[in-house]
Amino acid sequence: QKEVEQNSGPLSVPEGAIASLNCTYSDRGSQSFFWYRQYSGKSPELIMSIYSNGDKEDGRFTAQLNKASQYVSLLIRDSQPSDSATYLCAVNFRSASKIIFGSGTRLSIRP
Amino acid sequence: GAVVSQHPSWVICKSGTSVKIECRSLDFQATTMFWYRQFPKQSLMLMATSNEGSKATYEQGVEKDKFLINHASLTLSTLTVTSAHPEDSSFYICSAGGLRTGELFFGEGSRLTVL
Repeated sequence: QKEVEQNSGPLSVPEGAIASLNCTYSDRGSQSFFWYRQYSGKSPELIMSIYSNGDKEDGRFTAQLNKASQYVSLLIRDSQPSDSATYLCAVNFRSASKIIFGSGTRLSIRP
Repeated sequence: GAVVSQHPSWVICKSGTSVKIECRSLDFQATTMFWYRQFPKQSLMLMATSNEGSKATYEQGVEKDKFLINHASLTLSTLTVTSAHPEDSSFYICSAGGLRTGELFFGEGSRLTVL
């Protein structure tokens, strides 16, 4: 089992719709979870962080965490073409003191 | 957020030469920095954790004698790719942040092309 697993996509969503990105992780003791956005040829940039079970909203972005299911997701409302990028799920593996990234999901917003 | 700067952004070198990449935390002190490598259309792979004043911790499969890491101060870590070969061509990204929160701040990345 991969430590942090994401569907590689590509995920194609029409402009204005909701994009849903999912991630599962293997370390049950993990406490910190992050979503990064990466445009082609650029470094990742932090979109959302979440530490507690439930939902966390920031503008058009909502992160959802379910530690019992070892599952974290990112919802993007009112998707815009500028949201087209690769979204990386990252988990702080406290047991190993390192942050592990999933393989990323390529999101494409079609006009 | 915090600022991490990386240099150079692009480097092209001949096979067999060594290349040094610098990573600086500009507005905070970083006792720990992380070096990642990313091949085209693949995710970030953690290479090593750089610890100020002590030896770096390398991930399994990463050759410590080939990828030399030095973290001599609280604001600077360097990665030296020794005797580079074409298969070392990749996007190298450093990051720093707090393991307490887990939030990482990334440098701009350094694209290495070995001819």
